[in-house]
Amino acid sequence: GAGVSQSPSNKVTEKGKDVELRCDPISGHTALYWYRQRLGQGLEFLIYFQGNSAPDKSGLPSDRFSAERTGESVSTLTIQRTQQEDSAVYLCASSSPQEPTNEKLFFGSGTQLSVL
Amino acid sequence: GIQVEQSPPDLILQEGANSTLRCNFSDSVNNLQWFHQNPWGQLINLFYIPSGTKQNGRLSATTVATERYSLLYISSSQTTDSGVYFCAPRGGYQKVTFGTGTKLQVIP
Repeated sequence: GAGVSQSPSNKVTEKGKDVELRCDPISGHTALYWYRQRLGQGLEFLIYFQGNSAPDKSGLPSDRFSAERTGESVSTLTIQRTQQEDSAVYLCASSSPQEPTNEKLFFGSGTQLSVL
Repeated sequence: GIQVEQSPPDLILQEGANSTLRCNFSDSVNNLQWFHQNPWGQLINLFYIPSGTKQNGRLSATTVATERYSLLYISSSQTTDSGVYFCAPRGGYQKVTFGTGTKLQVIP
C-alpha cells in the first residue's frame, strides 16, 4: 500500500481480555517496529523485525506481550490478559534500512487501546 | 543501546520567533531522523540526516556525528509548528531509539 496501515484505529477492551493489533507495512520494507506511547509521553520501543533475522524483543514489557511477522509482510502485536496500564497508543513503523537512500521510518496512525 | 537526550523539554515561542532544538546521543550513528508529532498524534518524518546539513523551507537540521549531536532549527515559527519534536538515531542495524522529545507551543 501507499503507507503503513494499522487496525483497528481504536480498541476498547475489558481488563483481562486478550487483544490483537495489526500492522501492514509499506510494500518492500524489510524492517518493522512497534512502539508504545502513553498519554503525554515519548515513544517506548517494543519490538523490531528486520528481514529474516531474529527479532529484537528487548522492549517487550512482560510475557503478556508478543508479536509475530509473516515474512516481510503483516505483523500482529498480541497483548494477553490486558491490564489498565496497557492503555496507550500502539504505533507501527516500517523502513528499508538496507537501502541507504531509503532508511527513513514511516509511521502508521496508531491504535488507541483503552483497557477498562 | 544508544542513549538520547533532547533539550529543551518544553518550549514556548511567539509566532515569528526562531529556535534551536538539540539532540545528544551516546554512540556513533549511521542514521538520524527528526520527527514532528502533530497535536493529532501523527508522526511525520522531517529529516533523514546522519551527517551534514539539510534545509526544508523554514526548517533545517545539522548533525555532527563525530561530536554526537544534532540540531533542528525552526525559523519564523508558525502556530502549525506546535507539537512534539523527536530525534531518533540508529547505530548499525540496531533498532531506532527515540529521545523524550521537545514539546513546542507557538502562540499567536
